[in-house]
Amino acid sequence: TQLLEQSPQFLSIQEGENLTVYCNSSSVFSSLQWYRQEPGEGPVLLVTVVTGGEVKKLKRLTFQFGDARKDSSLHITAAQPGDTGLYLCKGTNAGKSTFGDGTTLTVKP
Amino acid sequence: EPEVTQTPSHQVTQMGQEVILRCVPISNHLYFYWYRQILGQKVEFLVSFYNNEISEKSEIFDDQFSVERPDGSNFTLKIRSTKLEDSAMYFCASKGPIQGVDQPQHFGDGTRLSIL
Repeated sequence: TQLLEQSPQFLSIQEGENLTVYCNSSSVFSSLQWYRQEPGEGPVLLVTVVTGGEVKKLKRLTFQFGDARKDSSLHITAAQPGDTGLYLCKGTNAGKSTFGDGTTLTVKP
Repeated sequence: EPEVTQTPSHQVTQMGQEVILRCVPISNHLYFYWYRQILGQKVEFLVSFYNNEISEKSEIFDDQFSVERPDGSNFTLKIRSTKLEDSAMYFCASKGPIQGVDQPQHFGDGTRLSIL
């Protein structure tokens, strides 16, 4: 069974602060996705990383895939209230996908 | 932008009844998935489906579950003899048509299933 540990589980910060969310596993993944989920809606894809050491940027969001493809991080610079939501990582290997537990981010104005 | 649609958005069913959850994947996608999310818990993989057969399934996907692509557009999840613990949000996702590890799965907004 592939497990993905996501931390922190909850994060509450002030507007303008930076934050990092971590996703760790003992398993190797062929790809890893980060999603954002709003209440009552399905997960919306933010990024996919597939190469060990890969770094992708999406405006103020920076995603990194670990060299061994077992871990990933999401860094948000100068967080805004609109960034509030549930952030999920999902690792995929051999056709099976595993979600992390999610990080609930609240950005206060 | 094309999207995955799921119906109904909320279904309430008596325990022991059968339910069918419906999904219309993005039209040119070839890979289909079902996930569930029990309230307050993580999203869990149930099953993947390609070329009219199950590709992978999790331990959760036991004999009470089945999937079908009855026509060219719908992808359904059937739960026979529902149990209270089947209450959850069920998400459908699709991917494709190009095979590759970096192809994203697109999710529907889910069906909330409540078993009484």
